[in-house]
Amino acid sequence: GAVVSQHPSRVICKSGTSVKIECRSLDFQATTMFWYRQFPKQSLMLMATSNEGSKATYEQGVEKDKFLINHASLTLSTLTVTSAHPEDSSFYICSARSPLAGGYTDTQYFGPGTRLTVL
Amino acid sequence: AQTVTQSQPEMSVQEAETVTLSCTYDTSESDYYLFWYKQPPSRQMILVIRQEAYKQQNATENRFSVNFQKAAKSFSLKISDSQLGDAAMYFCAYRSSPGNQFYFGTGTSLTVIP
Repeated sequence: GAVVSQHPSRVICKSGTSVKIECRSLDFQATTMFWYRQFPKQSLMLMATSNEGSKATYEQGVEKDKFLINHASLTLSTLTVTSAHPEDSSFYICSARSPLAGGYTDTQYFGPGTRLTVL
Repeated sequence: AQTVTQSQPEMSVQEAETVTLSCTYDTSESDYYLFWYKQPPSRQMILVIRQEAYKQQNATENRFSVNFQKAAKSFSLKISDSQLGDAAMYFCAYRSSPGNQFYFGTGTSLTVIP
């Protein structure tokens, strides 16, 4: 149980275009989802926290107009990188938390990540 | 904000041997959770072990165990009988109770030598 998927796993796009990344909790309902960014050989940097049906809470320094997050249902959150530029190239990871997941009430379950390359 | 410190950027261990990864944290809270996550080359984050701060007993999961020292704010991970598949980046994480946000350490890269 407690599986989180991400799609796509890898995306290459041209500078100026927008890219949407989906995060789904497959076997549980996620009241809260998180989006992280990870640079090579570095730790995870929390970008935003999203709760189903409400606006996402962004961390300081994260541009909310550039990184649009929508948590439309208890199983789906999306991250849209708008007008992507080469500096947005990174590894993006989502995670989901639910009190009903796998018997653990206080654990985040992570998706496999999406590697974004902006040319 | 809470801080999590992993002072060992890299560690290595001989296959079948035991290795301990260090983690310290800073908090003024009394109730919280601590985690160790593993990130192999696939980059999928995998939960290794979890500890509730109010429990004095150290958590164990098969070959993985922790040494939780609440007063010292220390949370080390011991891997026994190391296997090649244990090679990965290991992250220590803290979460307050109640609370949503995880605070991650900078990670320790573990190499297992055949």
